[in-house]
Amino acid sequence: DTGVSQDPRHKITKRGQNVTFRCDPISEHNRLYWYRQTLGQGPEFLTYFQNEAQLEKSRLLSDRFSAERPKGSFSTLEIQRTEQGDSAMYLCASSHVIDSYGYTFGSGTRLTVV
Amino acid sequence: GIQVEQSPPDLILQEGANSTLRCNFSDSVNNLQWFHQNPWGQLINLFYIPSGTKQNGRLSATTVATERYSLLYISSSQTTDSGVYFCAVGRDNFNKFYFGSGTKLNVKP
Repeated sequence: DTGVSQDPRHKITKRGQNVTFRCDPISEHNRLYWYRQTLGQGPEFLTYFQNEAQLEKSRLLSDRFSAERPKGSFSTLEIQRTEQGDSAMYLCASSHVIDSYGYTFGSGTRLTVV
Repeated sequence: GIQVEQSPPDLILQEGANSTLRCNFSDSVNNLQWFHQNPWGQLINLFYIPSGTKQNGRLSATTVATERYSLLYISSSQTTDSGVYFCAVGRDNFNKFYFGSGTKLNVKP
């Protein structure tokens, strides 16, 4: 197992365009989390899934954001009509429900909206 | 949510020096982890330490849950220790973390 994979690593998009990021968790992990990190700050929680069910969404996740985890495997995070304020690092993490110590982050997708 | 404050925000050390990083949190938690974010952005889990003391090589951590703080000790620092150290806390079945703003460490040769 190669850990948590995120794709793409970098994305530059024009304001108003839609973007989609992908996260592949560690295969035996049934929980998957999305966080957003802006420059100089710690990551902020966006949403999490247990298997295919989206169990919690942060108020940070506006109507322009949607996340899915079909079949409880990989997850996608889509941002519609991007704004400059969406520029950030988007981090994915996974864990097993009974082992919080195994909380593993991916390398992130850095989004720049121009 | 839970407020997490880390200090100092920035730290410059000469290689070989020791340091202590502090994390204060505003509410009771049942999960606390220290992470290191390397210059490439990768967050690495250092310790799961909701209470007590743990050691791993040159790093050790202590959490006093009743007083709502945790300390991360780095001894004999090396240039590879550079990066940002985050404290993250959680409650309610480990479903999410609240992160501090981090301590940015620069170890000079």
